Amino acid sequence: QSVLTQPPSVSGAPGQRVTISCTGSGSNIGAGYDVHWYQQLPRTAPKLLIYGNTNRPSGVPDRFSGSKSGTSASLAITGLQAEDEADYYCQSYDTSLSTYVFGLGTKVTVL
Amino acid sequence: QVQVQESGPGLVKPSETLSLTCTVSGGSLYSSDYYWGWIRQPPGKRLEWIGSIQYGGTTYYNPSLKSRVTMSVDTSKSQVSLKLSSVTAADTAVYSCARHYRAFVRYRGNGDGFDIWGQGTVVAVSS
Repeated sequence: QSVLTQPPSVSGAPGQRVTISCTGSGSNIGAGYDVHWYQQLPRTAPKLLIYGNTNRPSGVPDRFSGSKSGTSASLAITGLQAEDEADYYCQSYDTSLSTYVFGLGTKVTVL
Repeated sequence: QVQVQESGPGLVKPSETLSLTCTVSGGSLYSSDYYWGWIRQPPGKRLEWIGSIQYGGTTYYNPSLKSRVTMSVDTSKSQVSLKLSSVTAADTAVYSCARHYRAFVRYRGNGDGFDIWGQGTVVAVSS
C-alpha cells in the first residue's frame, strides 16, 4: 500500500533546528502531487502549517518551512520553541489509491 | 472566521449506521473553491480521508469506504452529514470534519488539502 512515511519522533533543544521527513512514492509525492503539513497541539484540532510544499498560511511563523524533492518532502522548524511541541502530519494525494493520504505523524519534543 | 464542529453519538453498535453532523459557522457553505470533508483517525493509526462533498451535493469518496459511505449537505442549516453503514470495531476512531481546499484554485497547485478542522468527535463501535 502506498503511504507516506514519517519518523515517529524528533527532538531538539530550544533554539535548535529540527527537520521532519515525509517519504512517499511514485504514485503520490513523486507523481507531482503537493505535500501539505499539519500541526496538532495536544488536545486541539489539526492546523494547516504548510500548503503546496512550501507555502505558509497567514499567521504561521516563518520558523516553519517546507520543501519537496523527488518522492520526499521535509518540514523544518528553526529556532525551536517550547510551544512547538506537537504532532506533525504530512499529507498528499495518491493516484493509485485515488485518495488523500497522510503520514502516521511525528511527535516533536522540545528538550 | 470559519469554524466547523462535529456532533453525533459517541457509541454505535456493530452492524448499525454511524451518523455524524458537521456544522459550519462564520462562513458559507456556498463556495466552489471549497469542499467539506470527513477524516478519521483510528487509535494508533494514520489519518484516513473518508470523503468530501461540494455545496451542490457532488461527492468524492475514498474507494476503500465508498460502498458504506453517504455524505449529504443541508445548506439551510449550514451542515454536512456523514453516514457510515455496517460498522465494525475497525470503524472506532476520532472523526473530524474539515474544509477541503482545492489546490488549483488556492495557488494553482496539484493535490488538495484541508485548511480548517474541527476538534473531532470520538466514535466507538461496541455492543
